[in-house]
Amino acid sequence: DAKTTQPPSMDCAEGRAANLPCNHSTISGNEYVYWYRQIHSQGPQYIIHGLKNNETNEMASLIITEDRKSSTLILPHATLRDTAVYYCIVRVERTSYGKLTFGQGTILTVHP
Amino acid sequence: GAVVSQHPSWVICKSGTSVKIECRSLDFQATTMFWYRQFPKQSLMLMATSNEGSKATYEQGVEKDKFLINHASLTLSTLTVTSAHPEDSSFYICSARVDRLDYGYTFGSGTRLTVV
Repeated sequence: DAKTTQPPSMDCAEGRAANLPCNHSTISGNEYVYWYRQIHSQGPQYIIHGLKNNETNEMASLIITEDRKSSTLILPHATLRDTAVYYCIVRVERTSYGKLTFGQGTILTVHP
Repeated sequence: GAVVSQHPSWVICKSGTSVKIECRSLDFQATTMFWYRQFPKQSLMLMATSNEGSKATYEQGVEKDKFLINHASLTLSTLTVTSAHPEDSSFYICSARVDRLDYGYTFGSGTRLTVV
């Protein structure tokens, strides 16, 4: 699986958009970008994933650059409950259900 | 969705005793489960992968005789920490592969183990 690089921490004001970047310059053509988050003392929670098109669901939006070497997770209106560690993971989808490897992630702190 | 129920959510035990952590898949059959360990301020580290009915595959550096994994049914996997020591204190998380989900994995809520 391709390696990812994320900033160790970010801050965001409540109600504003939180934009979390992820670099994955060695991504292969068949690898997807996945985002999970982990709220303190809980298990990780899936947020969103995508291959090359931008994706949106009820939780977030995922913007992937045209060359696919980086992506941004957008939480459009951050709340205090969005404070968590956000993990960007790159791997092949579905056909390869091996282990999921977590990097260090980005600690997002949403403040009032 | 697909739910994995993990118990207990926290446990305190004395050094030298054993502790069992259970993960149950509630609405799907979990043929493959993963066990992770997470120390404070660190990321999740995979310990082992278990497939129903077969022996678990342990990651390098994880003692298989200390961390016993049983995956005898399609809905239950257990991790037993044997002869626990204070350095085994950690947050343990299970994860299951879910075929019907296109993102593939769901996670338990974690177990905080404290060995005193």
